[in-house]
Amino acid sequence: DAGVIQSPRHEVTEMGQEVTLRCKPISGHNSLFWYRQTMMRGLELLIYFNNNVPIDDSGMPEDRFSAKMPNASFSTLKIQPSEPRDSAVYFCASSLGRGINQPQHFGDGTRLSIL
Amino acid sequence: AQSVTQPDIHITVSEGASLELRCNYSYGATPYLFWYVQSPGQGLQLLLKYFSGDTLVQGIKGFEAEFKRSQSSFNLRKPSVHWSDAAEYFCAVGSGNQFYFGTGTSLTVIP
Repeated sequence: DAGVIQSPRHEVTEMGQEVTLRCKPISGHNSLFWYRQTMMRGLELLIYFNNNVPIDDSGMPEDRFSAKMPNASFSTLKIQPSEPRDSAVYFCASSLGRGINQPQHFGDGTRLSIL
Repeated sequence: AQSVTQPDIHITVSEGASLELRCNYSYGATPYLFWYVQSPGQGLQLLLKYFSGDTLVQGIKGFEAEFKRSQSSFNLRKPSVHWSDAAEYFCAVGSGNQFYFGTGTSLTVIP
């Protein structure tokens, strides 16, 4: 079975550019999570969706970040404009059921570098 | 404040030796507890979880963890480590709408 698929795997762009990260959750999973991982702050939950509806976005760092889930099989995390401090690995995860406490299945991440 | 603590940033063990990775949490109620493993360049993989019931839980790859309410701990153990176990290990705790990962413990396995 296909796992969580993220694209691109790597992204290098200049400061000020718009960045869009994509995620396809496991088919049948109805919760989706976006995380950011850095050396300084570890793994941080940015936002999670249940049945395509954002449940908690309190982890989104600022208005430059936005996430959407237009349907059950696709989500995007957008940064506009990007800044060097946004450089990190961004993970998407999905799980069955509602609630944040179900086991999560992670993608391989997008390594983002903002120059 | 709610928190998850992994006191050991880095641990080195010999192949075949036993392993224990520590995790302590601070939550008002009994939380949901998880251990995940991350290999370089990859996402996290669930090793095991505790929701309720038997406080000793078995996971994949020969790992187990024990929930000790009195110590607010959920330590991960393996009786005999393999070279392929070298990775980063994360404890995670969830309660209500809140979910936090610990800072991780990096495991090195020497021959």
